Amino acid sequence: QPVLTQPPSSSASPGESARLTCTLPSDINVGTYTIYWYQQKPGSPPTFLLYYSDSEKGQGSGVPSRFSGSKDASANAGILLISGLQSEDEADYYCMIWPSNAYVVFGGGTKLTVL
Amino acid sequence: EVQLVESGGGLVQPGGSLRLSCAASGFTFSDYWVHWVRQAPGKGLVWVSRINIDGSITSYADSVKGRFAISRDNAKNTLYLQMNSLRAEDTAVYYCARTYRGYYDYWGQGTLVTVSS
Repeated sequence: QPVLTQPPSSSASPGESARLTCTLPSDINVGTYTIYWYQQKPGSPPTFLLYYSDSEKGQGSGVPSRFSGSKDASANAGILLISGLQSEDEADYYCMIWPSNAYVVFGGGTKLTVL
Repeated sequence: EVQLVESGGGLVQPGGSLRLSCAASGFTFSDYWVHWVRQAPGKGLVWVSRINIDGSITSYADSVKGRFAISRDNAKNTLYLQMNSLRAEDTAVYYCARTYRGYYDYWGQGTLVTVSS
């Protein structure tokens, strides 16, 4: 099973932008996959944020447009960009892919601190 | 309102068994694939298993294959996870989640399974 690598932590100040990465192993091409992103706050289940592929993107219900997805092909990574950071954006963020149609893989998660 | 409510968690000794349930309401349960995802204390999300709409297709993470069995009863709007030969590393909050267009659009609140002597 592939391993999705996310930095354990990230921080930024209110009003700034946070760029969270999800790096795929070198033997699989990020261009092949749809990257899904989830947010999880302490004591709560994850909530769906958005998905991004080369051909399609979608936002979860009620998710602000401050949250957006993209890819960095040179880094073989999916990107979650959060602009205009707010204190309530402080949470854990997980990426996810379907390496096949039979199973799902999550990244290890990034804890975002809003300073 | 869509709801998924897990139950059946608790403390079990290593080698023991437990059956988790996930009661669905607010939608046509038989129209959706559903999954189990777990999260060890202080750790990240880990996919466990999934089942298709009529229960004829299932798949499992390597870490639970041969020990866990997923099933569903569409008449009762309920998803199950039978967990056998439990190990300390199975200790986690277990979430059921509904899939829609490839993503989990609804999650339950989770049920805690603790494997310890």
